[in-house]
Amino acid sequence: GAGVSQTPSNKVTEKGKYVELRCDPISGHTALYWYRQSLGQGPEFLIYFQGTGAADDSGLPNDRFFAVRPEGSVSTLKIQRTERGDSAVYLCASSSGLAGGQGELFFGEGSRLTVL
Amino acid sequence: RKEVEQDPGPFNVPEGATVAFNCTYSNSASQSFFWYRQDCRKEPKLLMSVYSSGNEDGRFTAQLNRASQYISLLIRDSKLSDSATYLCVVAKSGNTPLVFGKGTRLSVIA
Repeated sequence: GAGVSQTPSNKVTEKGKYVELRCDPISGHTALYWYRQSLGQGPEFLIYFQGTGAADDSGLPNDRFFAVRPEGSVSTLKIQRTERGDSAVYLCASSSGLAGGQGELFFGEGSRLTVL
Repeated sequence: RKEVEQDPGPFNVPEGATVAFNCTYSNSASQSFFWYRQDCRKEPKLLMSVYSSGNEDGRFTAQLNRASQYISLLIRDSKLSDSATYLCVVAKSGNTPLVFGKGTRLSVIA
């Protein structure tokens, strides 16, 4: 497809388990972002990749969260030892990374994570 | 103080009404400003960028006041399809991450 694809769309897991969320950005987009959104809140920045490298990971809440983008395309967000407070919609977005185009992020439909 | 603050609403307005949303941001170094729209249980989508000179796109007008660190969105002749959450978004510059407000919920009623 032409848009940002995220899998799984829904994930229910138990407290303490490990979770991986995948994002396939728009082809050719060099910039990739992970946000998370809780009910009634705006998207909260987690991490941003330019190519393969994490350009800014200042939003990751703690060391249980990690993300990779080994070939500069698909990215995986990894959450270890999940806690109930991790429950949210995890949104991935990509952009062309070109000057002036940074403002338009194209979001995927999100992965809804529920930690029981 | 949150970096981007918005009145969460909801704003309930009749069709045809004019409605205005306001947003303030705390970082005076911010350079880029946007409004995104998010429908219920959907992903956010860019509605419009906000320029210093103000800009208009059909029924939508965005204004920026750098001195007061204030951004506004005006919607004229509201349609039922305008019902959504409107997110105020700010970035420092270049490829710095976008910072989103909590959003303002609008319901346009027939």
